[in-house]
Amino acid sequence: DAGVTQSPTHLIKTRGQQVTLRCSPISGHKSVSWYQQVLGQGPQFIFQYYEKEERGRGNFPDRFSARQFPNYSSELNVNALLLGDSALYLCASSLGVVSTDTQYFGPGTRLTVL
Amino acid sequence: SQQGEEDPQALSIQEGENATMNCSYKTSINNLQWYRQNSGRGLVHLILIRSNEREKHSGRLRVTLDTSKKSSSLLITASRAADTASYFCATDDVLGTYKYIFGTGTRLKVLA
Repeated sequence: DAGVTQSPTHLIKTRGQQVTLRCSPISGHKSVSWYQQVLGQGPQFIFQYYEKEERGRGNFPDRFSARQFPNYSSELNVNALLLGDSALYLCASSLGVVSTDTQYFGPGTRLTVL
Repeated sequence: SQQGEEDPQALSIQEGENATMNCSYKTSINNLQWYRQNSGRGLVHLILIRSNEREKHSGRLRVTLDTSKKSSSLLITASRAADTASYFCATDDVLGTYKYIFGTGTRLKVLA
């Protein structure tokens, strides 16, 4: 079975632009979470979606938004990009929303903001 | 903000030696998980330990949890070059929601 897939792999944007990152969960998984990982740090939680509804939101500005589609894939949108948004963006899928459900991570999208 | 802090930040050992890394966290938890990350790519889940467990084993991995000290340790026995990676602990919140909070990570290098 395919694992979690993310696209694109790499992305370069300039300040003020908008970006959309995509994630396809493992087949059968209904929950998708997004994390931001700045170089040298651990991942920071951005959003969790389950059954197309937002179930959790981290401490990120409103420039960050996400949605989940009927096929459980998800998009993360970031508007008005800042230099500090440069990071590895990770998507994780799981069966449900119980914290003991194992999260399976995708390879990430590396975003560089110039 | 980071919930936990791993210690040490970096560790370099010879193949065959054991590697121990520690994680401290700040708030009450339901469970704690350890992840491995190779070369800044996706994370791989290693092991989960619940708050009512004190020790757990999985292959060459041994995890302990001390909720009174809000700390956990990960022991990798008989390390291999392939174990070279960053290791993170992650905790949920006491409500058991899915807002996992990751630590700062330990960079392990195993020399062949």
